[in-house]
Amino acid sequence: SAVISQKPSRDICQRGTSLTIQCQVDSQVTMMFWYRQQPGQSLTLIATANQGSEATYESGFVIDKFPISRPNLTFSTLTVSNMSPEDSSIYLCSVVGAGQETQYFGPGTRLLVL
Amino acid sequence: GENVEQHPSTLSVQEGDSAVIKCTYSDSASNYFPWYKQELGKRPQLIIDIRSNVGEKKDQRIAVTLNKTAKHFSLHITETQPEDSAVYFCAARGGSALIFGKGTTLSVSS
Repeated sequence: SAVISQKPSRDICQRGTSLTIQCQVDSQVTMMFWYRQQPGQSLTLIATANQGSEATYESGFVIDKFPISRPNLTFSTLTVSNMSPEDSSIYLCSVVGAGQETQYFGPGTRLLVL
Repeated sequence: GENVEQHPSTLSVQEGDSAVIKCTYSDSASNYFPWYKQELGKRPQLIIDIRSNVGEKKDQRIAVTLNKTAKHFSLHITETQPEDSAVYFCAARGGSALIFGKGTTLSVSS
C-alpha cells in the first residue's frame, strides 16, 4: 500500500489567516482526494485533486476557500483560507493507486482555529 | 450524488457476541463498498470491501453482505473482542471518490 505523509500534523492558527497542508505519497497514484473530519463526525469529501488542472469541488466547498494544487502524481496541497473557528477539523489526504480500488488515508492534519 | 445512510450510530455488545452494522446507498451506479475502522486519534483503515458483482465476502471474523437490488450492505463481526471497539464507517463509490456513512461507534465490553 502507498505510504502517505502529511505536513503539518497539527497546527493552531488565528482566525483570518491561511494554512497550507501538504500531502506526499511514496508512489504514483491515480486519484488524490481531500476530506474533512470534524470532531466526532464522519469524513466529508472536499474535492478531488486533479493533476495539472483545477480541482473538482463537492457541493458546499469552493475554490476561494479551499484552493488545491496537484502538480504531479505524488503531491498535493490544500489551503484553508481566511480561517474561522468553524474550520477547526482534521483534514485528510486520500489516494487510490494505479489499477487499484482501495482508497488509503494519510495520517491527517489536526487544525485548531482560535 | 451518492448518499450513504448508516445504522446504528452506537452499538454496545458483550465480548464474544456478534455485531451487525447496516448501510444503504442511493446511487444504483455505485459498485464498490468498503468498510473502514477508525480508532481514536488514528486514520481510517480498510478492514474489508466488496464489489457489486459479489454477494458476500468473509475474512476471518469479519464478513460483508451486499444486496444490490435493495441497495444495502452490512458488516458482520463475530466473536467480538475488546480490541474491536472503534468507530466503523461504511462507504460507497459510484464516481471516483468514496462517500461515507456517518459512522457507528462499537463498544465491546469484557
